[in-house]
Formats: sequence, C-alpha cells, structure tokens
Amino acid sequence: QSVLTQPPSASGTPGQRVTISCSGSSSSIGSNSANWYQQVPGTAPKLLMYNNNQRPSGVPDRFSGSKSGTSASLAISGLQSEDEADYYCASWDGSLNGWVFGGGTKLTVL
Amino acid sequence: QVQLQQSGPGLVKPSQTLSLTCSISGDSVSSHSVAWNWIRQSPSRGLEWLGRTFYRSRWYNDYAGSVKSRVTINADTSKNQFSLQLKSVTPEDTAIYYCARTFGYIDYWGQGALVTVSS
Repeated sequence: QSVLTQPPSASGTPGQRVTISCSGSSSSIGSNSANWYQQVPGTAPKLLMYNNNQRPSGVPDRFSGSKSGTSASLAISGLQSEDEADYYCASWDGSLNGWVFGGGTKLTVL
Repeated sequence: QVQLQQSGPGLVKPSQTLSLTCSISGDSVSSHSVAWNWIRQSPSRGLEWLGRTFYRSRWYNDYAGSVKSRVTINADTSKNQFSLQLKSVTPEDTAIYYCARTFGYIDYWGQGALVTVSS
C-alpha cells in the first residue's frame, strides 16, 4: 500500500479539464513539496511538476499543480490523446526519512 | 544534460545478491548538491524508494526501512558510478529497478532494468 493516496483512475474527453488528487500526511506533503511524474507504459517516469507548481522546461502549460495542507493536485486542461498515461505524485517524508509515492492514477482519454 | 545508464543481470536466484550499477554522465557522483537513488517498481508494491547516497564533505547513506537490513548503496568516484546491492532476495524482489538523481526532487531517471528473482 502506497504512502500517498491517489485515485486509481481518471478519464476525460479531448479538450476537457481533469484533476488528479494526492493525499499525504503532515510529515510528507504537509511539510515538503509535492512532485508529479508521467509514465508511459514501458518507459521510466518523467518529471512533470516539481515544488508543487513548477513545470520543467518542455512541459506544456496545460499542466498545472497546487498544494493545500497535506494534499496536492495535478490539473490537465485541454486534454489531448497523448496525455494518456500513468501519473504519480511523490514527496519527501520526514518521519520515514525517504521518498514516498502515490499508487498512480491511470488517465484515459476517451 | 544528465544521463543515467543502468547495467546488471536480469535474473537472480533466490537467496542470492542482486547487484546493479548506474553510470552517470553530465554530472558527478560526488556533487555537493545532489543525491543518487535507487527506486523499484512492481505491480504489487508500486513505486518504492530503496535508498540513496550523497556526498557532503563525506559520504552519507539513507535506506528505506523495508530493505534496510539487506541493502547497500555505494559510490565509485573513479568510474562516476553508484551501485545497489540487495542481498537474500526472494521472488518478492522481482521488479523494475531504476537509478535516479535528486536535486531537491527526483529529476533524472535511468532507463530501468527488469530484475527477476527465480530459480
């Protein structure tokens, strides 16, 4: 069972906006930044969002992130077929003294 | 551009030691501002951080509690590499293993290596 909690699935039609949540604790997201990764099956995770709401170079501004208390969210607007992938949240956990991950959300573009 | 290239056997027998190496290009294993990590992914356990090594005037290691008694992560400055050793493996250790860099967050990942534990 993963330390961070995500919904197992999400879906939307092209052009829609979808949001993926990530729930943690006071020692993880409550005290540290949330980061998001996109993983296409058969490849390594790719950094999508860091420090809650910062996009690495090359990530479209359709992707946005936020954090409130012990939870974080990833929003994807103007959904495209190429966004179909697994999305994971991650954070440092000060009590466990290690990185923790969500169980992943499989995004389907209908 | 940082690149991480993993190497090691894809099949390990139960009770033996799993060994993987990660070769770094575009950065130094002894850089003062980063850490070098091992993470694994399996259907049953999801993404699981195993541990890290980093240099801050001396070498430090942190390990996940779930594997702490079995894991060692070392750096080789002469080859600009770091390695993972996981001893006494069981079929539960079958997973895709990734090496990764952290610079405040996990930013670069290796390509991943499927390691199967089976006789």
